[in-house]
Amino acid sequence: EDQVTQSPEALRLQEGESSSLNCSYTVSGLRGLFWYRQDPGKGPEFLFTLYSAGEEKEKERLKATLTKKESFLHITAPKPEDSATYLCAVNTNAGKSTFGDGTTLTVKP
Amino acid sequence: NAGVTQTPKFRVLKTGQSMTLLCAQDMNHEYMYWYRQDPGMGLRLIHYSVGEGTTAKGEVPDGYNVSRLKKQNFLLGLESAAPSQTSVYFCASRAGGLYSNQPQHFGDGTRLSIL
Repeated sequence: EDQVTQSPEALRLQEGESSSLNCSYTVSGLRGLFWYRQDPGKGPEFLFTLYSAGEEKEKERLKATLTKKESFLHITAPKPEDSATYLCAVNTNAGKSTFGDGTTLTVKP
Repeated sequence: NAGVTQTPKFRVLKTGQSMTLLCAQDMNHEYMYWYRQDPGMGLRLIHYSVGEGTTAKGEVPDGYNVSRLKKQNFLLGLESAAPSQTSVYFCASRAGGLYSNQPQHFGDGTRLSIL
């Protein structure tokens, strides 16, 4: 059974304190891994797609990396506006999408 | 660009009542999805559609029905609402076929409370 696990469930940081969010996966065959950001009261918004181990994508203070078993979303010098829930999702060779439960990030000024 | 639009945004129902949630997308996407999101449980797939006139069951389909009469619209129905169906419902769409790696585009959700 395909499984996507995100950790930690919640993360509280001070402004400027860098950290990483983890998404580990066990799937029948990975076609792509997605990161989304979800603000309170809104739907998830697409951030990155990663396709193969070793790949990295960057956007402002965010950098996503991928290995054969997990992905990390690194947040460098976060600001309060980075506070949100970050969701990871995988597409499998069977054409199926599976979402993790998300990590809720709070950045204090 | 409207993207994915969900109506209504909020609704309160009594147990046993019925209602329909509407999702409309203007991106000409083939695939559309209905999810529910409960605290601490992430997104769970209810039903999905791979094109006009098609529907398929997802992970948690019981108590829900769907229809895709037009490519741009995907309707989610609750025939007899139950308190366990209190949740936030999200609709999403994406481009491409079965093995596409295009991302999903989400609406802003319908917050449904059943008393």
